[in-house]
Amino acid sequence: EDKVVQSPLSLVVHEGDTVTLNCSYEVTNFRSLLWYKQEKKAPTFLFMLTSSGIEKKSGRLSSILDKKELSSILNITATQTGDSAIYLCAGLAGANSKLTFGKGITLSVRP
Amino acid sequence: DAGVIQSPRHEVTEMGQEVTLRCKPISGHNSLFWYRQTMMRGLELLIYFNNNVPIDDSGMPEDRFSAKMPNASFSTLKIQPSEPRDSAVYFCASSQTGVDGYTFGSGTRLTVV
Repeated sequence: EDKVVQSPLSLVVHEGDTVTLNCSYEVTNFRSLLWYKQEKKAPTFLFMLTSSGIEKKSGRLSSILDKKELSSILNITATQTGDSAIYLCAGLAGANSKLTFGKGITLSVRP
Repeated sequence: DAGVIQSPRHEVTEMGQEVTLRCKPISGHNSLFWYRQTMMRGLELLIYFNNNVPIDDSGMPEDRFSAKMPNASFSTLKIQPSEPRDSAVYFCASSQTGVDGYTFGSGTRLTVV
């Protein structure tokens, strides 16, 4: 059975801090690792990582995949209160586009 | 593009009643997924369809749950009879084969009392 584990489960930081969110995966026929941000409603797509060692950046967010360690990290620099959300990572398997999600990391950014 | 549309947004029902959740995927997307999200278990895949055909329903918790996709633009998830432990947010998502990354609907928050 495919499995995705995220850590820590929750995190409280102050505005301006840098955070690193961890994700490890065991996915048969692994194809890609995806990160989503979930606020009050549906998860919204952040990154998709397919190649190991290539960092993807979007503003203050960046992410990288390590296929040897079966893991990924999501970094957020200079955090803002608007970054408060649940961050989900998911492993994409094979040709069927099936995503297995981790339980998510709840990030709270205090002013 | 209106995105993935789910209805209703909220549903409160009594134990034993039938519940039907609806989803309209993005036009042109040929894969559709039903997920359930709870605090305890996170996002769990219930079932997914490819070209309207159910591919994997191993996540459907029990026979009380059933899903259909009669055409490319509509799917339903039915729970009959509903139980309090079915209370959760149910998400529908769609994607296009060969294009990674789902688009999620806004979800249906189901409460069974």
